[in-house]
Amino acid sequence: GAGVSQSPRYKVAKRGQDVALRCDPISGHVSLFWYQQALGQGPEFLTYFQNEAQLDKSGLPSDRFFAERPEGSVSTLKIQRTQQEDSAVYLCASSLVSGDGNTIYFGEGSWLTVV
Amino acid sequence: DQQVKQNSPSLSVQEGRISILNCDYTNSMFDYFLWYKKYPAEGPTFLISISSIKDKNEDGRFTVFLNKSAKHLSLHIVPSQPGDSAVYFCAASVSQGGKLIFGQGTELSVKP
Repeated sequence: GAGVSQSPRYKVAKRGQDVALRCDPISGHVSLFWYQQALGQGPEFLTYFQNEAQLDKSGLPSDRFFAERPEGSVSTLKIQRTQQEDSAVYLCASSLVSGDGNTIYFGEGSWLTVV
Repeated sequence: DQQVKQNSPSLSVQEGRISILNCDYTNSMFDYFLWYKKYPAEGPTFLISISSIKDKNEDGRFTVFLNKSAKHLSLHIVPSQPGDSAVYFCAASVSQGGKLIFGQGTELSVKP
């Protein structure tokens, strides 16, 4: 497809379960971002990749959160031992050049519910 | 510490009138500002941006105003249309290449 693709769109996890969320950025896009959006809030920055390099992971809330982009294309956000406060929409975004705000494209998000 | 604030969670406007959405920020290092529009179950879509060297940027029905001394920006939509009904987020970054800090969003409802 032409846009940023995220999977799964919806995930229900039992507390303590590990989850993996996948992001397929737009082909050729150098920069990739992960954001977390809680209900009624704006998106909050988690981490940023330029190609395969993770340049900023200051927004990851705990060491249970881990992101990778091994070949500089597809990225995976992994959450270990999920907790109820992890319930949120996880948004992936990509841009052609290094974070140019004009050209950041968001995916539709992965909706995670931890029960 | 909310660096970008949208103090109005919702706004209702009549079709054809002007919609004004407001945003305040606290970090004086921000020098690039954007507005995103979000429909339910979709990701945010870029609408319009402004850099700190300008005080106004216009694109069709959408105009963004920046008041650096007041650390305030606003989005004007004229005329408003029912299809504009969505949640609007303002966002800021320290540089055009930097990570975005978002406000909480304002839900705009344009009534026919």
